[in-house]
Parts: sequence; C-alpha cells; structure tokens
Amino acid sequence: ETGVTQTPRHLVMGMTNKKSLKCEQHLGHNAMYWYKQSAKKPLELMFVYNFKEQTENNSVPSRFSPECPNSSHLFLHLHTLQPEDSALYLCASSQLGAGPQEQYFGPGTRLTVT
Amino acid sequence: QQQVKQSPQSLIVQKGGISIINCAYENTAFDYFPWYQQFPGKGPALLIAIRPDVSEKKEGRFTISFNKSAKQFSLHIMDSQPGDSATYFCAASKYTGNQFYFGTGTSLTVIP
Repeated sequence: ETGVTQTPRHLVMGMTNKKSLKCEQHLGHNAMYWYKQSAKKPLELMFVYNFKEQTENNSVPSRFSPECPNSSHLFLHLHTLQPEDSALYLCASSQLGAGPQEQYFGPGTRLTVT
Repeated sequence: QQQVKQSPQSLIVQKGGISIINCAYENTAFDYFPWYQQFPGKGPALLIAIRPDVSEKKEGRFTISFNKSAKQFSLHIMDSQPGDSATYFCAASKYTGNQFYFGTGTSLTVIP
C-alpha cells in the first residue's frame, strides 16, 4: 500500500447504527486530519492530530468521535448520525515542519445516512 | 464566515483553450495559497502553490496569479486538455500552519 488509504470506500448506515471509518498513511507523516466534503461547500476540517494528540476540533458534533492510536492510523467513530451527515469523508496526512504542510489525501469514504 | 471564496462553480472549456478559476480570501495573515486537483473517486492532490512574495508562479501549463492588495489569486490552465477535467480547489493557510481553508471547488470540463 502507498500513500493514504481509507476503508470502507462506501458506507450506508441507518441513523441508529454505529460504524467506524479507518484511515492509514504509509508516508511516515506525523499529522493526520479528517475532512468532510459536501457538494457545493468548502472542504470542512473536522479534526487535527499532531503527533497523535488532538489539536483541533472544529465544532464537530459529538456523534463523530475520532481516535488516533498511533501516527499512522486514524479512525472516525460514527453513532446516531443524521441524514445531513451524508458526505464524502476524507482523511489526510502531512509532515509537520518549518515549511508548508502539504496535505496528502486519501480517496475518501462515501457515507450515506438513511 | 467563509474564509476563501471561489468562482466559478463550474467551467466548460474547449480543448486548447484557457481555463481560469478565481479565488479571494479574507485573512491577511494567510501567506500560503495552494491549489488542489481532484479526479472522481480520488482525494484532492496538490497541483501548484504560491506565496505572496511573488505575483506569479508557473509550472508547465499551470500558472497562479496573485494580487496581494486585492486579496485575490487565480489559476490559469493554458492549452487545456480533456485530461484536465477535474474539480479544482483553492486554499489558504499560514505558511507554517496546518489548518487549511478551502474554497467550494470548481468543476472543470474540457471538451475535445
């Protein structure tokens, strides 16, 4: 595997289900991110982990719960979602340092909440 | 408040033509402006980026023009090709920061 991988690629879940999204980066980076991509809206940064520590939580509802067990893996645990949470969820990673933090994105998980 | 505004939402260009996408930002603390390209089924990937100390940056057929006083920057794709058909996002951040603010995206279609 290379780059940033995400599983599953597609997920359909009911509003009472609990599911998890998984992200793995194979780039040796030390920062990981969750973004939400909805049609006609800017990419929304949800969570930032620097060196496995959460540094940003951009007012994301508690029904989204991130977990970063190590610098290569990132999870997004989902429970009691709403239909408006249907979107493409993108994971990204970057290398913290003195220069720009180029984001390397995975292909995303297309989530549909029914 | 949307930190970065992008237009147009969609763009159709003939093969060989010039594609132009515009972005405007609010926060004068931003000093790094990347453009990302996203193909269907893929995540966005960095295409080209600029800092405010230059007014233009060119990489192959892709050029960023930057107007610091107007707080605007644009992507020009010269000799557009069908393979350039994708969604393009502008973004802004602090050079050493890792919080990016993205535009809403422009869906580009290049007609053969």
